[in-house]
Amino acid sequence: EDQVTQSPEALRLQEGESSSLNCSYTVSGLRGLFWYRQDPGKGPEFLFTLYSAGEEKEKERLKATLTKKESFLHITAPKPEDSATYLCAVQGYNQGGKLIFGQGTELSVKP
Amino acid sequence: KAGVTQTPRYLIKTRGQQVTLSCSPISGHRSVSWYQQTPGQGLQFLFEYFSETQRNKGNFPGRFSGRQFSNSRSEMNVSTLELGDSALYLCASSLDAGPSSGANVLTFGAGSRLTVL
Repeated sequence: EDQVTQSPEALRLQEGESSSLNCSYTVSGLRGLFWYRQDPGKGPEFLFTLYSAGEEKEKERLKATLTKKESFLHITAPKPEDSATYLCAVQGYNQGGKLIFGQGTELSVKP
Repeated sequence: KAGVTQTPRYLIKTRGQQVTLSCSPISGHRSVSWYQQTPGQGLQFLFEYFSETQRNKGNFPGRFSGRQFSNSRSEMNVSTLELGDSALYLCASSLDAGPSSGANVLTFGAGSRLTVL
């Protein structure tokens, strides 16, 4: 059964304090691994798609990496506006629009 | 470029009633998926429609149903509402040009917040 586990559930950082979020996954045939950001009262906002082990993608202070079993979202020198829930999801082949989501990591960055 | 539009944004119903939620996808997107988000279960897949046909279905009871129209707009319906149906219902659309084109990136709407009393 396809499954995604994220850790930690919540993370509190001081502004400028770098850290990483973890996403462990099992899927029969990975079509893509996704990272989304969700702000309170809003829908998830797409950040990255990773396709194969060893792949890395960056966007501003965020960098996503992928291995055969895990993905990491590295946050470098975070700012208060990075505070949000970060969601990891996997998509299998022949699954169309079906994503399996983890429970998310709630990130809080204090000034 | 307009995003995914969901209506209504908020609604309150009582147990036993039914509800219909609407979703207008991004222009040109042929796939529409629905998800339920609750604090305890997180985001769970309900179903997906592609070219007016249900292509995938999650593990939800038959009270949850949906459909897609020829213009790709979609509706989902929940009948005989229960307290546990209170949730944020999210619609997502995607182009889905097939597995050879890479992963199918979903764009989400802001959601419809349903409260069942």
